[in-house]
Amino acid sequence: DGGITQSPKYLFRKEGQNVTLSCEQNLNHDAMYWYRQDPGQGLRLIYYSQIVNDFQKGDIAEGYSVSREKKESFPLTVTSAQKNPTAFYLCASSPRQGAGANVLTFGAGSRLTVL
Amino acid sequence: QKEVEQNSGPLSVPEGAIASLNCTYSDRGSQSFFWYRQYSGKSPELIMSIYSNGDKEDGRFTAQLNKASQYVSLLIRDSQPSDSATYLCAVVSGQAGTALIFGKGTTLSVSS
Repeated sequence: DGGITQSPKYLFRKEGQNVTLSCEQNLNHDAMYWYRQDPGQGLRLIYYSQIVNDFQKGDIAEGYSVSREKKESFPLTVTSAQKNPTAFYLCASSPRQGAGANVLTFGAGSRLTVL
Repeated sequence: QKEVEQNSGPLSVPEGAIASLNCTYSDRGSQSFFWYRQYSGKSPELIMSIYSNGDKEDGRFTAQLNKASQYVSLLIRDSQPSDSATYLCAVVSGQAGTALIFGKGTTLSVSS
């Protein structure tokens, strides 16, 4: 079945550590996205990529980094520079063109807790 | 900064009633609009998309778009307890390719 796989589902981190969240899709989508969600809040865009080897900052990119070396993969690193990283992280993908260009398919999410 | 505004609720309706969820957006150039449903602890799932002024119906759901007023709404007819969730309004940001900008969501509670 086609879809988006995020791992790990739950992650605990000590302050000062970098962590990497994995996102893999087999939908053959060109575009991929990372969103952050805090309790009672909507989704805020961290980074997005419309094509391999290219990505752009979203509204809250500070303290995060990404790479897009393969079409299927868009990992997110939460660095020690991120002041308040405890949140629910959602990866999504979509076609870049055509009728479904703006229709996002989401992974199940990764919940990061900083101890 | 482009914004999407929603009343956070909670919106409480009895089973069988019509639930009306509203959303306004600031980017007059936006062309694509979406409603996502999110159950607690889960990822969002697409309910409706709408691109043209007017109404679009899909089963118990109707999306309404008024670009002149920069307003989009979602009506849920014959509300069921299973509709209890947070409903997120999303708009395509012209500055972010195909990325969606989301509102904070409206929590709907349907009582039986």
